[in-house]
Amino acid sequence: SQTIHQWPATLVQPVGSPLSLECTVEGTSNPNLYWYRQAAGRGLQLLFYSVGIGQISSEVPQNLSASRPQDRQFILSSKKLLLSDSGFYLCAWSRAQIAANEKLFFGSGTQLSVL
Amino acid sequence: SQKIEQNSEALNIQEGKTATLTCNYTNYSPAYLQWYRQDPGRGPVFLLLIRENEKEKRKERLKVTFDTTLKQSLFHITASQPADSATYLCAPNNAGNMLTFGGGTRLMVKP
Repeated sequence: SQTIHQWPATLVQPVGSPLSLECTVEGTSNPNLYWYRQAAGRGLQLLFYSVGIGQISSEVPQNLSASRPQDRQFILSSKKLLLSDSGFYLCAWSRAQIAANEKLFFGSGTQLSVL
Repeated sequence: SQKIEQNSEALNIQEGKTATLTCNYTNYSPAYLQWYRQDPGRGPVFLLLIRENEKEKRKERLKVTFDTTLKQSLFHITASQPADSATYLCAPNNAGNMLTFGGGTRLMVKP
């Protein structure tokens, strides 16, 4: 069966510090991978998605970047965190090829607080 | 711009009653719409998908409707239980075929 791992679960970082969040998927190959952010009481905002190794699409301009060094590994990074980067970060995967019947499988999330 | 609206106020109902949650969207026509459940501090979990040519979809105590004329989806939980308490998110696909999520409605089922 497929599983998705996301860590750490919580993170407190000072403004201006770097960030690296990692997500890995097991039990499937060539998944589509996604990073979402959820502000408190708000909906999920799609940040990045990837359809393959080294292929990253950004949905919104921001202080963050994403990389996919391996088929089932997706990393969210920042060189210098801002207060506005605080939020609940969720990694997700779907089967390859976005299609009308593809659902998302989410990780357990990382609660990031930038102070 | 595309907009998805879910009631941001919590819905409080008594155990055994039917909960009905609303998802309205504007300025686009999604080909399908998904509903997810999210518990506090956890990632959303997929519940149901309904396509534009389907009026209704059922799964156990769950029922989803999709009215493309009204640009609305309704999510029903019959015989609700305290364990159904969670936030429910609707997610229509956008023009790029990515899911766009509403802000969610928190459901509280009281025993």
